[in-house]
Amino acid sequence: DAGVIQSPRHEVTEMGQEVTLRCKPISGHNSLFWYRQTMMRGLELLIYFNNNVPIDDSGMPEDRFSAKMPNASFSTLKIQPSEPRDSAVYFCASSFQGAYEQYFGPGTRLTVT
Amino acid sequence: KQEVTQIPAALSVPEGENLVLNCSFTDSAIYNLQWFRQDPGKGLTSLLLIQSSQREQTSGRLNASLDKSSGRSTLYIAASQPGDSATYLCAVYNNNDMRFGAGTRLTVKP
Repeated sequence: DAGVIQSPRHEVTEMGQEVTLRCKPISGHNSLFWYRQTMMRGLELLIYFNNNVPIDDSGMPEDRFSAKMPNASFSTLKIQPSEPRDSAVYFCASSFQGAYEQYFGPGTRLTVT
Repeated sequence: KQEVTQIPAALSVPEGENLVLNCSFTDSAIYNLQWFRQDPGKGLTSLLLIQSSQREQTSGRLNASLDKSSGRSTLYIAASQPGDSATYLCAVYNNNDMRFGAGTRLTVKP
C-alpha cells in the first residue's frame, strides 16, 4: 500500500485566496483525521470522519475552514478565504477504526502571504 | 479537557546509551496511547500503540509502558543510535479526540 497520500506537498498562496488540500487514506481504513501543526500550538486535531461522516469538527478553528469526504478514498480540507495565520503543516491520517493505530500522510506545508 | 505533557523537551545522549522519554496525561479515561516519531520536515511515523487494557508494548529496541491510573507512559529506547535522532511524540485517544504532547527532541551523538 502506498500509505496516506496528500497533495499538494507545498502550497504558497496570497491572503484571501481559496486553498484546497487533498487526502487519500489507506485502502480499507474507515476513519480519517485532519490535523494542523504549528510551532506555537503543536499538533491539533481539526476534524474526524468515520465511514465518510464527520463525527467531530470541534477543532475546526473558524467557519473559513471546511472539510468533506465524498467517498471512502478521498477527502478535502478547504480554507476560504485564507489568512497568514493559517500558515502551517496540515496532516491527514487514517485508521481502520477511530481507536486503532493512526497512519499519517507526509503533510502539506501551507504558506499564506 | 485532556492535556498531554512530555518531559524533557530535548535530550542529547551519546550513542549506545539507553534512554527513557516521558509522557503524562491528565484524564485517565483513554482508549489508547500512541508513540510517534517525526523527522524534520516529515510526517509522523507510528512506533507503538498501547490499548487502555495493556501495560506495555515492545518493538525491537523500543518498549512503551502505560500506567493509566497515574496518567503516565514511558518510551524506553535501548542502545540508542544516531539514526534514532528525531522528535518523539505521544498522543492519547479518547471520545473521538486525539491529543498530542509537544514532543521530545532527541539527539544521539556518534
